Amino acid sequence: IQMTQSPSSLSASVGDRVTITCRASQSISNHLHWYQQKPGRAPNLLIYAASSLHSGVPSRFTGSGSGTDFTLTINSLKPEDFATYYCQQSYGTPWTFGQGTKVEIK
Amino acid sequence: EVQLLESGGGLVQPGGSLRLSCAASGFTFTNYAMGWVRQAPGKGLEWVSSIFPGGDRTYYADSVKGRFTISRDDSRNTVYLQMNSQRAEDAAIYYCAKYGTVVTPYHLDFWGQGTRVTVSS
Repeated sequence: IQMTQSPSSLSASVGDRVTITCRASQSISNHLHWYQQKPGRAPNLLIYAASSLHSGVPSRFTGSGSGTDFTLTINSLKPEDFATYYCQQSYGTPWTFGQGTKVEIK
Repeated sequence: EVQLLESGGGLVQPGGSLRLSCAASGFTFTNYAMGWVRQAPGKGLEWVSSIFPGGDRTYYADSVKGRFTISRDDSRNTVYLQMNSQRAEDAAIYYCAKYGTVVTPYHLDFWGQGTRVTVSS
């Protein structure tokens, strides 16, 4: 199952709303998860099962979608949100990740 | 507090072998599946392998099938990745991660800090 994220990168300002999309090559129901990775660090889970917020993750992160199309929205971007974001499907093996979306400071 | 501590990375020659370890704490290890994900320099994330409770269900990426073996020792709360016949494209940071649930949809809720594998002669 191929996962395609868009855009590959974006520039945004603190306080902006940012939306990242992820499209699966076939229906994956809600088996879609989002991770954040900062340079030199391990990934951290943000959203699982398309829309469930992982414990401790700020509520400005929201996920939506089902089937083949999914979105991650960051409301009111904060300085610590500048990072790379990955979607990942666990509907079938091999699990696959999107190519990543780098969110940079404008 | 969940902790995952990888070890065993290093320099290996093409065709060589290496065994990675991941020591887990802070949760009931026997109840959870575990996985390995890697990241080549400057690249994205690639799932490598997973092992379910009891160790009888294991899964591999096509890129490592037949060369890598995942295993677990529940008495030591440790998961291993035996990597044989190493290739240049296996060079990466290898992350150990814990499954966040015992039912689908599976996801990886905690990750170790990673161990670096370099493949070079």
